Amino acid sequence: DADVTQTPRNRITKTGKRIMLECSQTKGHDRMYWYRQDPGLGLRLIYYSFDVKDINKGEISDGYSVSRQAQAKFSLSLESAIPNQTALYFCATSDRIGLEQFFGPGTRLTVL
Amino acid sequence: GEDVEQSLFLSVREGDSSVINCTYTDSSSTYLYWYKQEPGAGLQLLTYIFSNMDMKQDQRLTVLLNKKDKHLSLRIADTQTGDSAIYFCAEDGGKLIFGQGTELSVKP
Repeated sequence: DADVTQTPRNRITKTGKRIMLECSQTKGHDRMYWYRQDPGLGLRLIYYSFDVKDINKGEISDGYSVSRQAQAKFSLSLESAIPNQTALYFCATSDRIGLEQFFGPGTRLTVL
Repeated sequence: GEDVEQSLFLSVREGDSSVINCTYTDSSSTYLYWYKQEPGAGLQLLTYIFSNMDMKQDQRLTVLLNKKDKHLSLRIADTQTGDSAIYFCAEDGGKLIFGQGTELSVKP
């Protein structure tokens, strides 16, 4: 079984809809991250959490919110989706040393 | 501010060496990383180098770090078709800052 799972893997939605992307991990890591990947722009950090009670904005948090429901779960919400949020979204985890981040398989989101 | 730059594409022939280059801006980064993303998958750590090192070799991979010029490179010897992927460099100034990714295409 995968250590970091993301659901759904693909989602097509319409402008204005609320969307939640979920991430679960079985690695026992404290730190979790949400990134978006766009062609030619690499990965950009949306939000990160160093433990259940710690949530921090990343480089591009506008239009997004997160919830850390448990050590193993970190969800990303788009309150009112817009077309320029069409992207590939990745969840990642790391331990407290943070030397390596472990990535989920990604969620491809299309906003029409 | 923090910025990591890479060229977007590299094409090589199977058996040749590949060199992927990266420049970064945060001189306080403790580690610098290379991640690999295969088609349809997430990123996986390929290798990393501690900032006080100049070179690290791991089988077919050689990482060179020039701190003065803030330049990082990844050399893949005897490149194979299975090495075709997107390669991201990243600097660690407290949180990872990724480059745009270099898409390596290996032709038989």
